[in-house]
Amino acid sequence: DAKTTQPTSMDCAEGRAANLPCNHSTISGNEYVYWYRQIHSQGPQYIIHGLKNNETNEMASLIITEDRKSSTLILPHATLRDTAVYYCIVSRGGGADGLTFGKGTHLIIQP
Amino acid sequence: GAVVSQHPSWVICKSGTSVKIECRSLDFQATTMFWYRQFPKQSLMLMATSNEGSKATYEQGVEKDKFLINHASLTLSTLTVTSAHPEDSSFYICSAKGRAQDTQYFGPGTRLTVL
Repeated sequence: DAKTTQPTSMDCAEGRAANLPCNHSTISGNEYVYWYRQIHSQGPQYIIHGLKNNETNEMASLIITEDRKSSTLILPHATLRDTAVYYCIVSRGGGADGLTFGKGTHLIIQP
Repeated sequence: GAVVSQHPSWVICKSGTSVKIECRSLDFQATTMFWYRQFPKQSLMLMATSNEGSKATYEQGVEKDKFLINHASLTLSTLTVTSAHPEDSSFYICSAKGRAQDTQYFGPGTRLTVL
């Protein structure tokens, strides 16, 4: 799996959009970008994934650059419950491969 | 949908005993299940991958005789930590993927403390 680079930590004000960047410059053509988050002492929660088109679901939006070397996860209206470690992972599509977790970004939502 | 449960949520055992952790997919059939381990202040590390009816595939450095994985049905996988020692104390997390899913869904984790 390709490696990803994320900032160690970020702050965001409650109610604002949280934009979490991720670099994955060595991503292969058949690899997707997955985002998960982990709230303290819980299992990771799936957020969203995409190949090359931008994606949106009820939790977040995923913006992938045209060259696919980086992406941004957007939480449109952050709440205190969004405080967590966010992991950007690249992996072959289908979810059948074990995931390689990096250190992630610790997002802290400030009241 | 895509709910995964684990049991127990936490367990404390004495050194030398064996502990079994269950992982269940509640609303889908899991063709593949994964086991991860997370030490304090570290990220998740994949331990093994198991496909229903097949032997598990272990990651390098994970002792298959110590961490026994059974995936006997499409909704249940078990991880048995045999002869547990204090260094096995960790947060064990499973994930599951079914034919209808294109990503993995994680369980809530099991915290193991070996005294």
